Amino acid sequence: DVKVTQSSRYLVKRTGEKVFLECVQDMDHENMFWYRQDPGLGLRLIYFSYDVKMKEKGDIPEGYSVSREKKERFSLILESASTNQTSMYLCASSPGGPKMNTEAFFGQGTRLTVV
Amino acid sequence: DAKTTQPTSMDCAEGRAANLPCNHSTISGNEYVYWYRQIHSQGPQYIIHGLKNNETNEMASLIITEDRKSSTLILPHATLRDTAVYYCIVRVTGANSKLTFGKGITLSVRP
Repeated sequence: DVKVTQSSRYLVKRTGEKVFLECVQDMDHENMFWYRQDPGLGLRLIYFSYDVKMKEKGDIPEGYSVSREKKERFSLILESASTNQTSMYLCASSPGGPKMNTEAFFGQGTRLTVV
Repeated sequence: DAKTTQPTSMDCAEGRAANLPCNHSTISGNEYVYWYRQIHSQGPQYIIHGLKNNETNEMASLIITEDRKSSTLILPHATLRDTAVYYCIVRVTGANSKLTFGKGITLSVRP
């Protein structure tokens, strides 16, 4: 059974803390993605990675960075957490290359609250 | 990736077909149409995808117009469990392929 696992379901952090959100996939997928989801705004892409050590900015990268040292793991980093980063964070992975179906698989999400 | 536009919401009666429209007038020849849905408090789930032919699987059917500028997702017999947000996206397959979602359409299935 394919799986994308996010390290925490719920997280509470203080303003100014450095926060790491971890995501691991077991499908040997090339592509990995980080999104945040807020009421009325849908899913917004923060960063994505198409290979180890490669990353591309999404639509809202400000205030975030990412790390992909191994193919199966993609980390989202909030260098100095702020209250406006309180949100649901979703990780996803999908195959790369010239495949016919690049269906994406999502983790269950991490609800981060910054106080 | 081309942008898509969907109505904000729609509803249908349980047991009836739900037809969810999507416009993607700027779609390129190498972009596929994908549909996902998100049930409350869960991550999005893949439903179906297609390039230019109509597609059907155990969950739904996808009808793509001949000019590929719009598509319709059909849930043939909607149930209460189909109440969710449905996202239509277009995406180039291959490496370095961004995956961008819009706000989707909220489908409410009423008893």
